[in-house]
Amino acid sequence: NAGVMQNPRHLVRRRGQEARLRCSPMKGHSHVYWYRQLPEEGLKFMVYLQKENIIDESGMPKERFSAEFPKEGPSILRIQQVVRGDSAAYFCASSPSTLEAFFGQGTRLTVV
Amino acid sequence: GQNIDQPTEMTATEGAIVQINCTYQTSGFNGLFWYQQHAGEAPTFLSYNVLDGLEEKGRFSSFLSRSKGYSYLLLKELQMKDSASYLCAVQGGNAGNMLTFGGGTRLMVKP
Repeated sequence: NAGVMQNPRHLVRRRGQEARLRCSPMKGHSHVYWYRQLPEEGLKFMVYLQKENIIDESGMPKERFSAEFPKEGPSILRIQQVVRGDSAAYFCASSPSTLEAFFGQGTRLTVV
Repeated sequence: GQNIDQPTEMTATEGAIVQINCTYQTSGFNGLFWYQQHAGEAPTFLSYNVLDGLEEKGRFSSFLSRSKGYSYLLLKELQMKDSASYLCAVQGGNAGNMLTFGGGTRLMVKP
């Protein structure tokens, strides 16, 4: 019973490049959430998706960030033209409903 | 708006009991979660409260008072491996029922 799988675990990008973070939810889970965690801080909600739909993106920066959860395949969080301030741990969580969410191991993005 | 407060750091002794408090002010409420997070790792679920009262699970217990917007996590018989951050999170009433997290409490257990 595989948990929430995120890849890559670590990602290094130069300023201006694109970062793609992938999240495969647990089997049977149709709800996916993305959170960002800056060093020494709590998790901040970014976006909530169900298959092929963005339900709530109130936590997403207005520019450069986008997310999708296609009918087939993992959920993708995409950051265009990365800047140093994007360096953080990005966690994905999945849920079968609207109760307990299970977190992946996270992707640690470093922008150099 | 959402506002969740918990102490930044706490220190306790191995074998002792520690209580981590969390107060919240949120626009909706569908439950309160506690997660444990070791440095560099994913948050792992500890407890969930939706009704007032105490939920006990082994060495860990969690309490909720909805009228006071208050919860606490109680850890008994502390072990060194309990050194971690403890995250209080409120599940809101909006469309996604997503979690709003506090800043986390970093607990250090000393011998």
